[in-house]
Amino acid sequence: EDKVVQSPLSLVVHEGDTVTLNCSYEVTNFRSLLWYKQEKKAPTFLFMLTSSGIEKKSGRLSSILDKKELSSILNITATQTGDSAIYLCAVESTGAGSYQLTFGKGTKLSVIP
Amino acid sequence: NAGVTQTPKFRILKIGQSMTLQCTQDMNHNYMYWYRQDPGMGLKLIYYSVGAGITDKGEVPNGYNVSRSTTEDFPLRLELAAPSQTSVYFCASGTGIGQYFGPGTRLTVT
Repeated sequence: EDKVVQSPLSLVVHEGDTVTLNCSYEVTNFRSLLWYKQEKKAPTFLFMLTSSGIEKKSGRLSSILDKKELSSILNITATQTGDSAIYLCAVESTGAGSYQLTFGKGTKLSVIP
Repeated sequence: NAGVTQTPKFRILKIGQSMTLQCTQDMNHNYMYWYRQDPGMGLKLIYYSVGAGITDKGEVPNGYNVSRSTTEDFPLRLELAAPSQTSVYFCASGTGIGQYFGPGTRLTVT
């Protein structure tokens, strides 16, 4: 059974701090790893990492995939209160006509002024 | 573009009732998905579709059915609702690179 584990489950930081969120996975036939940000309602897509694209950056957010360690990190620098959200990691796997997308339970980030 | 729209936003069902959750996207995406999200449990994939006329089961398909007669629409049918189906349901669409989520439907079965 595919498994995705995120850590920590929750985190409280002050504005301006840098945070690192972790995601580790055990899946067969890995295809990609995705990061989402979920505020009050629906998740919004942040990054997709594959074997051919193991590092992504957008503004203050960046993410790296370590295929050897079967893990990924999401870094947020100079955090702002607007970064407060649940960050979800998901892993896609495919094989023999099947498709699986397994989400972790998320990391709840709270940024206090 | 409206993106991904879902109706209704909220619904309360009695045990044994049936209903259809509607999902429509106007981005011409081939891929569409249905998830449920329970508190503290992350999202679980119920069904997905890679194009009109093609659907397949995800991780938790029992108690649900889907159809995909057009590119735009991907309704989720609940037959014989059970309390275990109380959850928030999200529909999403995509091109195979990331997904765009609808606003969700909060369903309570009592």
